[in-house]
Amino acid sequence: AQSVTQLGSHVSVSEGALVLLRCNYSSSVPPYLFWYVQYPNQGLQLLLKYTSAATLVKGINGFEAEFKKSETSFHLTKPSAHMSDAAEYFCAVSEGGNNRLAFGKGNQVVVIP
Amino acid sequence: NAGVMQNPRHLVRRRGQEARLRCSPMKGHSHVYWYRQLPEEGLKFMVYLQKENIIDESGMPKERFSAEFPKEGPSILRIQQVVRGDSAAYFCASSLGQGNTGELFFGEGSRLTVL
Repeated sequence: AQSVTQLGSHVSVSEGALVLLRCNYSSSVPPYLFWYVQYPNQGLQLLLKYTSAATLVKGINGFEAEFKKSETSFHLTKPSAHMSDAAEYFCAVSEGGNNRLAFGKGNQVVVIP
Repeated sequence: NAGVMQNPRHLVRRRGQEARLRCSPMKGHSHVYWYRQLPEEGLKFMVYLQKENIIDESGMPKERFSAEFPKEGPSILRIQQVVRGDSAAYFCASSLGQGNTGELFFGEGSRLTVL
């Protein structure tokens, strides 16, 4: 069964600094990978997704992620953090695009002015 | 992700009561998924439904929980005889179909508090 590991439940980053959120996955078949963002008291919004095309995926709000099969990773980055990036970020995996997503525990990002 | 409507947004129940959570998918979407988010946890898959059919309920607790998606009307997640451990945020998501896009559109969630 597929699974996702996200380390470090809370991540603090200074405004303007690099945002790096790590995601490692486990899957028995080529995975589809996703990053979602959740703002307080809201639902999840898709940031970006990998579906076996280009390994470097660009998403909304300046975020991007790189799929590395050898490392079973799909880390999320943004070169310069903005105050509006404060939110919770979830990595998710599905096997063969079956839409049954397995989510990581999430990273709560705090942006320090 | 506007378009997936969930209600109520907040629900308070006493132990032993029933909770009913409703979800209207995005227009044109016929696939509905329910996920549960416990405090400090990620979302956990519960059930996947199409109109009038339960496709995958492998994430549903064996007792007290049921889900339906009738031909007409919203999908309903029903929790009977609620216990404190049922307190969580319940998210509904919809998709156009099952396929390789993998993108789910989420509602804003229903937050259940059991006293």
